[in-house]
Amino acid sequence: KAGVTQTPRYLIKTRGQQVTLSCSPISGHRSVSWYQQTPGQGLQFLFEYFSETQRNKGNFPGRFSGRQFSNSRSEMNVSTLELGDSALYLCASSPDRGYEAFFGQGTRLTVV
Amino acid sequence: GEDVEQSLFLSVREGDSSVINCTYTDSSSTYLYWYKQEPGAGLQLLTYIFSNMDMKQDQRLTVLLNKKDKHLSLRIADTQTGDSAIYFCAEILTGGGNKLTFGTGTQLKVEL
Repeated sequence: KAGVTQTPRYLIKTRGQQVTLSCSPISGHRSVSWYQQTPGQGLQFLFEYFSETQRNKGNFPGRFSGRQFSNSRSEMNVSTLELGDSALYLCASSPDRGYEAFFGQGTRLTVV
Repeated sequence: GEDVEQSLFLSVREGDSSVINCTYTDSSSTYLYWYKQEPGAGLQLLTYIFSNMDMKQDQRLTVLLNKKDKHLSLRIADTQTGDSAIYFCAEILTGGGNKLTFGTGTQLKVEL
């Protein structure tokens, strides 16, 4: 089975712009979660989608949003980018039965 | 509330055993995990333990769980230079979907 695929791997954006990141989960997994990793705050949960519905949400401002498609692929969007949004964004997929979470390689976002 | 703590650094000699420790505060944790992150990479799931278990062994890895003290440890036998990485413990809470709460991470350095 192919693993979790995140695209793109690297992004450079300017303050005020918006960005969309993509995540394709492991085949058959309907749960997709997103995390932000920064040196200062560590790994923080953004949100989880299951079967096209947001099931969990972390403590991030409304500029951070996501969605999931019928094929379980997920996107997250960050609008009005700030310098502090520079981070590694990680996506994880989980099987319906069981609690393993498998991560992709991440998207490194740099806001300048 | 949720809080997961780890020591920041651990240095061992190649061939020795490494023990990475983690404490958590929420007694409703269902599953506890260990992840490995190498530079520039995503998170690799190493192993996990259900909260009603005391120990789990998987090749060179041994996980010990002390529920009374809310203490989790990961022992790596015969540590190799390829084990140098950051190790994160994480928990999922009962009824929390697939939301992982991560520790701060322990940087393991293996010296020759």
